[in-house]
Amino acid sequence: QQQVKQSPQSLIVQKGGISIINCAYENTAFDYFPWYQQFPGKGPALLIAIRPDVSEKKEGRFTISFNKSAKQFSLHIMDSQPGDSATYFCAASIASGSARQLTFGSGTQLTVLP
Amino acid sequence: DTGVSQDPRHKITKRGQNVTFRCDPISEHNRLYWYRQTLGQGPEFLTYFQNEAQLEKSRLLSDRFSAERPKGSFSTLEIQRTEQGDSAMYLCASSTYGLPNYNEQFFGPGTRLTVL
Repeated sequence: QQQVKQSPQSLIVQKGGISIINCAYENTAFDYFPWYQQFPGKGPALLIAIRPDVSEKKEGRFTISFNKSAKQFSLHIMDSQPGDSATYFCAASIASGSARQLTFGSGTQLTVLP
Repeated sequence: DTGVSQDPRHKITKRGQNVTFRCDPISEHNRLYWYRQTLGQGPEFLTYFQNEAQLEKSRLLSDRFSAERPKGSFSTLEIQRTEQGDSAMYLCASSTYGLPNYNEQFFGPGTRLTVL
């Protein structure tokens, strides 16, 4: 059962444009929603994260929008740069588990054209 | 570099052989996670340690897999009698417990396993 659905699978944007990646979750016990960036051959790197008590969080060019009632959250990358070209993963962590392991989406391969 | 380190970075083995991977977490982190990532997919949780105790295992962790974290520092993941389906990137992550850095997991570079 896929608990976090991510779209689109791939995204191409022009330099300076806005990249938007969406995720939807099923389990209402999730209480922590991070986004990771992964370059080929590297491990995922934490970009930004949000808790469900806020609807938006911004860090530099990266913004998470969170809609608790719709069980959806999204990543917006403003002024996208070629260096942002990577695979992006949304994830969620369940509150009731002691491990708080991350459940990941399937990833979005972002290409920013110069 | 004080990040999570993993060794080796790449491992090629023949089907049926045993392999062992090592993870060194960020020094002050008491939680350590193992994930597996196949091509084109997000990482999948395998197991978790808090200090030296292995507290949770995924159903993905078959009997051929074993993980240890002696003394609550580095961790090892062993796969016995490897199968071609074990080919994947094995990722280690670490985190601290509690606020303010709630569950921020930091990943290592991974070990790419290829089973021939």
